[in-house]
Amino acid sequence: EVQLVESGGGLVQPGGSLRLSCAASGFTVSSNYMSWVRQAPGKGLEWVSVIYSGGSTYYADSVKGRFTISRDNSKNTLYLQMNSLRAEDTAVYYCARSDYGGTFDPWGQGTLVTVSS
Amino acid sequence: DIQMTQSPSSLSASVGDRVTITCQASQDISNYLNWYQQKPGKAPKLLIYDASNLETGVPSRFSGSGSGTDFTFTISSLQPEDIATYYCQQYDNLPQVTFGQGTRLEIK
Repeated sequence: EVQLVESGGGLVQPGGSLRLSCAASGFTVSSNYMSWVRQAPGKGLEWVSVIYSGGSTYYADSVKGRFTISRDNSKNTLYLQMNSLRAEDTAVYYCARSDYGGTFDPWGQGTLVTVSS
Repeated sequence: DIQMTQSPSSLSASVGDRVTITCQASQDISNYLNWYQQKPGKAPKLLIYDASNLETGVPSRFSGSGSGTDFTFTISSLQPEDIATYYCQQYDNLPQVTFGQGTRLEIK
C-alpha cells in the first residue's frame, strides 16, 4: 500500500527552526517527484516546495531562502527544513507524491506547525 | 502566477441534487487542471485529473469538464458522504502550481 506519514510538527517561536519528515512506504521517494503543500488554519491549500526525481528543487516565493526540501534515499524519507519561521508559516503541512510536479496523489495525513511566542 | 477563481465559495444542497462548481483560470491552462476533495480534519484526495479523468476508485457521480480557462466539476446526485470542501488546482505553470480558494459543500 502506498502511504505517506509526516512527523516533526509542533510549536516554535518566531525566528526558530523546525524539520518536518515524511516517511514513504509502497514506493520509492527518489524515483518520484515529491512536494510539500500547506494549509493555514481555516484557509485554502498553498504549494510550498517540490523535489524532482533528478534532485532539482523549487520553492514558493513565500518560503524561498528560508525552507529547504531534501530526501534521504536510504530511509525513503522526504524532509522540509524550515528556518526563520514567521507567524504566517503556521499551517498543517502535507507531503504528497506529485506526478511530474503537477498532480498530488497520495497525500500524507499532515503535521501541524504553530509559530507563536 | 496563474490565479484560480472558484465559485461559489460555499454551497448548500439536498441529498440527490445535482451540484456544480466552477473554476476559472486567469490564463489558458489547456486541460492541466485537477479537482480534490477535502473532508474536515483530513488530507485532500484526488478526484479528477487532467480536467475530466476520474481517478481510480472514485464514484462515477463525480465528473469534470472544460479546457482553456473555464472548468466545471459536477456531482450528479449528492450523497451525505460528499460533504467536504472541493479545490481546483492548475499545473500548467510548473513548478508553480496554484489552487482555487475552495468550495465548501453542505447538506441542506
